[in-house]
Amino acid sequence: QSALTQPASVSGSPGQSITISCTGTSSDVGSYNLVSWYQQHPGKAPKLMIYEGSKRPSGVSNRFSGSKSGNTASLTISGLQAEDESDYFCCSYAGGSTWVFGGGTRLTVL
Amino acid sequence: EVQLVESGGGLVQPGGSLRLSCAASGFTFSSYWMNWVRQAPGKGLEWVAHISQDGNEKYYVDSVKGRFTISRDNAKNSLYLQMNSLRAEDTAVYYCVSYNSSPYAFDVWGQGTMVTVSS
Repeated sequence: QSALTQPASVSGSPGQSITISCTGTSSDVGSYNLVSWYQQHPGKAPKLMIYEGSKRPSGVSNRFSGSKSGNTASLTISGLQAEDESDYFCCSYAGGSTWVFGGGTRLTVL
Repeated sequence: EVQLVESGGGLVQPGGSLRLSCAASGFTFSSYWMNWVRQAPGKGLEWVAHISQDGNEKYYVDSVKGRFTISRDNAKNSLYLQMNSLRAEDTAVYYCVSYNSSPYAFDVWGQGTMVTVSS
């Protein structure tokens, strides 16, 4: 049950694209296509942005996309906007009705 | 409207106990498995516990096994987390969490309740 590894921070200018990585192991990210991504603004509950690796919940902008390669999942945000500035967390199902989160990435829009 | 409302947080001394509650509304509570997720101040999210729809299956993160107990009362549309032998490292906002898009993702969150373990 070790936390997934995310970069502490990423940044980009408005209109650019950024990618946040999320590295796990063959027991979690590598075993299941069940990575989800969450956006969290200060003092607020997290919001689901991507589920099952690449699916978007209703209402989430198509500027957000997810992918996976081996033990690493990625969240890409295209056409960066000021309101995208937030903390982002990945999460993977780890089998046996357990889940593991990443440490979080602070996105700064320059 | 789907809603989860937590209560029961507060200040407790190390070694003490606390029981969190979560009131669910706007969906068929008994049809969904439920989870608790916590977030220490300034830190990341941590999955804490999971309970099946009928309450017979329960799973925990290693750090709380033997100290925390998740339970539910489907007749009252309520989820609980009994926390015993509390430690300073249990200090966090505790979220009651469910799902809608996928049973393997968390897209229904309560507002959270703060638990502070300190002498």
